[in-house]
Amino acid sequence: GAVVSQHPSWVICKSGTSVKIECRSLDFQATTMFWYRQFPKQSLMLMATSNEGSKATYEQGVEKDKFLINHASLTLSTLTVTSAHPEDSSFYICSARDQGLAGYEQYFGPGTRLTVT
Amino acid sequence: DAKTTQPTSMDCAEGRAANLPCNHSTISGNEYVYWYRQIHSQGPQYIIHGLKNNETNEMASLIITEDRKSSTLILPHATLRDTAVYYCIVRVGGSQGNLIFGKGTKLSVKP
Repeated sequence: GAVVSQHPSWVICKSGTSVKIECRSLDFQATTMFWYRQFPKQSLMLMATSNEGSKATYEQGVEKDKFLINHASLTLSTLTVTSAHPEDSSFYICSARDQGLAGYEQYFGPGTRLTVT
Repeated sequence: DAKTTQPTSMDCAEGRAANLPCNHSTISGNEYVYWYRQIHSQGPQYIIHGLKNNETNEMASLIITEDRKSSTLILPHATLRDTAVYYCIVRVGGSQGNLIFGKGTKLSVKP
């Protein structure tokens, strides 16, 4: 299957600082990318959907000014957690949709563990 | 909200078939059933998907009932590495719909 990478795999930051997480589709072009968040022992929660070259669509309850998403190219999307607080500590997972011949399959990255101290 | 119901947890003996059930009684005619799994602290891994017919690939088989209200994921020979949370997802909105995860089934494969 197609490969999606994330960087960094884990990050620790101080409260009030901003953190950027990168998501890349390595062997396919992804016009649509997704960002999920997962708290311990819970399921994945969709945060936002981004299409290349346009503004992201955020799910209800997700602050767009806090979680900045940029999808500037067909292989790269970034999530910036601004003014991070301890409650933002979570596992952030990106996903990319492959619109190739196989259809609209969706592949997930390995996740980024964010800890805010 | 997720449109599926799965058991919270299941055990399976190593080498035996693991049969994971999923109820999706409100599924619509053009909605696909997807299965993903998530091994601890990793991103979800695609397993299989189907619409009406049973499907098989190198990882698993998917059996969908004729009325499409339920399905079963079958891992034919479970190994310890198959221990994971398995998510059954009904993809709302056709092939471009979002994947909304429910709670999934925690499968524990035991030696």
